[in-house]
Amino acid sequence: QSVLTQPPSVSGAPGQRVTISCTGSSSNIGAGYDVHWYQQLPGTAPKLLIYGNSNRPSGVPDRFSGSKSGTSASLAITGLQAEDEADYYCQSYDSSLSGSGVFGTGTKVTVL
Amino acid sequence: QVQLVESGGGLVKPGGSLRLSCAASGFTFSDYYMSWIRQAPGKGLEWVSYISSSGSTIYYADSVKGRFTISRDNAKNSLYLQMNSLRAEDTAVYYCARGGRSSGWYPPGYWGQGTLVTVSS
Repeated sequence: QSVLTQPPSVSGAPGQRVTISCTGSSSNIGAGYDVHWYQQLPGTAPKLLIYGNSNRPSGVPDRFSGSKSGTSASLAITGLQAEDEADYYCQSYDSSLSGSGVFGTGTKVTVL
Repeated sequence: QVQLVESGGGLVKPGGSLRLSCAASGFTFSDYYMSWIRQAPGKGLEWVSYISSSGSTIYYADSVKGRFTISRDNAKNSLYLQMNSLRAEDTAVYYCARGGRSSGWYPPGYWGQGTLVTVSS
């Protein structure tokens, strides 16, 4: 059971803005650990989309942006496109128990 | 360009063993932490294990501790995962992923295509 909770699904029309939340606790996001985001297109491996809360790797469109506040983080997609339809996962570090990297529950983005 | 190619997946009976391999190219393999991350069918991601560049630091998820062994051969640019006492709940696509130079928890920027492990009688 993941310690980072995401909504199972979000949807939007082309061109719209959607946001995905990632809710954690005082042992992970709230402790100051960075949040990273991955995009997983159907049938493919995850791809790093945002690292260090708000940084985009080279080649990631600036339509994708990340933020963090308190015990939560968010991924925003502006100007939604059909090719953005995918699963999205947040990831951070959790210091409870033995400490480990943890992934969120995942969110399916549907472009209407 | 960075390439990670996994192999070794397949169908195995409960209690059986399997060894996964990951062939790396396009970067200095011996400089980087490497990880295995898995995804059960229709489910989310789970960090299974990582190994430091020299092999001296290793992490295992509690779910695999004592059953799985991660290793690497820097001369062969290869990463391995020996999986013993396999259970049905180990059924997943296993991804090889490149970490950072100084941390096992650095977000993987490169992933392989994955190899499917199915544990079933």
